[in-house]
Amino acid sequence: SQQGEEDPQALSIQEGENATMNCSYKTSINNLQWYRQNSGRGLVHLILIRSNEREKHSGRLRVTLDTSKKSSSLLITASRAADTASYFCATDSGGSNYKLTFGKGTLLTVNP
Amino acid sequence: DAGVIQSPRHEVTEMGQEVTLRCKPISGHNSLFWYRQTMMRGLELLIYFNNNVPIDDSGMPEDRFSAKMPNASFSTLKIQPSEPRDSAVYFCASSFRGETQYFGPGTRLLVL
Repeated sequence: SQQGEEDPQALSIQEGENATMNCSYKTSINNLQWYRQNSGRGLVHLILIRSNEREKHSGRLRVTLDTSKKSSSLLITASRAADTASYFCATDSGGSNYKLTFGKGTLLTVNP
Repeated sequence: DAGVIQSPRHEVTEMGQEVTLRCKPISGHNSLFWYRQTMMRGLELLIYFNNNVPIDDSGMPEDRFSAKMPNASFSTLKIQPSEPRDSAVYFCASSFRGETQYFGPGTRLLVL
C-alpha cells in the first residue's frame, strides 16, 4: 500500500522559478527520503531527513519535515530544465528491514 | 562502480511464456529489493531480501511470481506463466544496511 502521497500530481514552472512539492504520510516514520526519476530511468536518491530533524539542505534542495502533521516538503530553488523529472517521497517506518514505501510522485516540468 | 545491473532492459513476450528478470546488486550491499512500476499503481514493492534471505514477499501479486537470491551478487524474478497485466517496468534496488536505495535502470516488460 502507498504510504506517501505527493501533492501536486503535476507541476509546470519556468526555468529560474522555485518548485515546491509536498508529501503526506499516515504512520510514524524513522526517516523520509526523496527520490528523482527521469523518464525511462531508475530512481535516484536525493536526500534523507530523519524523524528528529526539521529541515535539511543539499545544494538547491531544501527538505522540511513536520512529524506532527505527518508531512514533508521538497523545495527546488532556481529550477533548471534538467530538473524536469518525477519526484517521489519514500518513508521508512523503522526496524531492521529498511523497507521503503513510495508515493505516486509529482511530475515536475521546467520550461526553458 | 557499475551500479545495479539489470537484464534484459526490454522484454517482449507472449502470454503464457515464462519470463526471467535478472539483477546484480552493488558489490557489498546486503539488501535487495524488487519493485514494479505502472501508471495505474505507481511503484510497488514486490519482495526484498536481507543477506540473501527473503524477508517480505507480501507484495508478490500471486503464485505466478517467484524470486530467488542464490548468492550476494545475483537475484532473479520469474513470472510463469506471464499475462498481459504483468506488463510494467520492473526495478531492482540494493542498499547497504538500509536507508539509501540504489536503483537499477529497470526492465521494461511487455506481455502480448
